[in-house]
This record gives sequence, structure tokens and C-alpha cells, in this order.
Amino acid sequence: KQEVTQIPAALSVPEGENLVLNCSFTDSAIYNLQWFRQDPGKGLTSLLLIQSSQREQTSGRLNASLDKSSGRSTLYIAASQPGDSATYLCAAKKGNTPLVFGKGTRLSVIA
Amino acid sequence: ETGVTQSPTHLIKTRGQQVTLRCSSQSGHNTVSWYQQALGQGPQFIFQYYREEENGRGNFPPRFSGLQFPNYSSELNVNALELDDSALYLCASSLEGFGGYTFGSGTRLTVV
Repeated sequence: KQEVTQIPAALSVPEGENLVLNCSFTDSAIYNLQWFRQDPGKGLTSLLLIQSSQREQTSGRLNASLDKSSGRSTLYIAASQPGDSATYLCAAKKGNTPLVFGKGTRLSVIA
Repeated sequence: ETGVTQSPTHLIKTRGQQVTLRCSSQSGHNTVSWYQQALGQGPQFIFQYYREEENGRGNFPPRFSGLQFPNYSSELNVNALELDDSALYLCASSLEGFGGYTFGSGTRLTVV
């Protein structure tokens, strides 16, 4: 059974800092891994989708990497801004099984 | 390209009542999945519909049921509501259950 863990659970950084959010998964035979952002009480916004054959994906200040062999993915946020404050969730998908989510990392960027 | 829309955004129900939540999938997507998210937790898979058939179910009791319609929209029905059913209910659509998932804004259900 796939399990997804996100560390740290919460993170507070000053504006402008570069930061890394971690995601680990127990079953490396994944089809893809997706990173989401969730604002309080809201739905999920997809940030990046990494297919199993890819090593990384980039969108603006965001870069996500995937290392299937070690069961890890990282989300790198460059030059953080207060508007980046949210909960970040990663989710792993294997075959036609549903997405399995971690509990998320709650990020606060202090101006 | 329209995204995933869910209705209603919020509702309050009394324990024992029944509720129906609705979801319209993103254009071009034929698979709809429903998730329950308790406060401070990651979303938990309820079930998935593909071509109007349920083709996957999480660890939820039978009082959680659903439908998918020919236009790929979907409903989540919950009977005999319990206090623990209070949560954010998220709908997601995808193509064939693969690729990226697009989520709606969710329905906040409060059971009192």
C-alpha cells in the first residue's frame, strides 16, 4: 500500500528565501507525481506534474524533482513571497489506482 | 477550457440527514474522483467513476454512493450523515484516470 510522507509539516521563512519541500513515497513503481497548492478552506491547484520517466519539471519560480529509486520528490521555491503562503501537497499515482496524498507542508512566508 | 466546478460551496446538515454534492468535470476529461479532506489532513480517496461505472473505491462505507452522467458530471450522495462526515469534499477530473488531475474548489460540509 502506497504511503506518502511530507516533511516538514510546517515551515516559516522570511521573504526572499529559497526553500525546499520534501515528499517521500514507499512504492517507487509510480506512474507520476503531482504537486498541489491549497489555500485555507479552498480546493487544490495543480502546480507541477512529473511523469515517471522525467527527472524534473519547472514552472516560473517552482522546480520539482523526482527520484523514483529513492522514493523522493522535492519542490524548490525560489525567492519566496508572502503570496506563496499556503499548504503544499504532493500526491503519487500508480497505474490506474487513485492519487495517494501526503498530509502537506504548511508554508508561511513572512514579509 | 472550463475547469472543475462543484456545488454547493458550503452547506450545513443535521445528523441523520442525506446530502448530494455535485461536480462538473473539466472539458475533455472522462473520469471523476471524489476525495474527503478532514482538517489538517491530506485528501482521502472515496471513489472514482469512469464511463458512468464505479471503478475504484476507498475505505468508505456504502452510505457514500455516487453517480456519473453521460456528460461526465458526477454526484456524491451521503446517507445517514454522521458528525465525522464534516469535511471538505473535493472532486477531481482526469482523462482515463491517468495524467494530471484537476480539482474543484470543494464543498465544505458541516454536520451538526
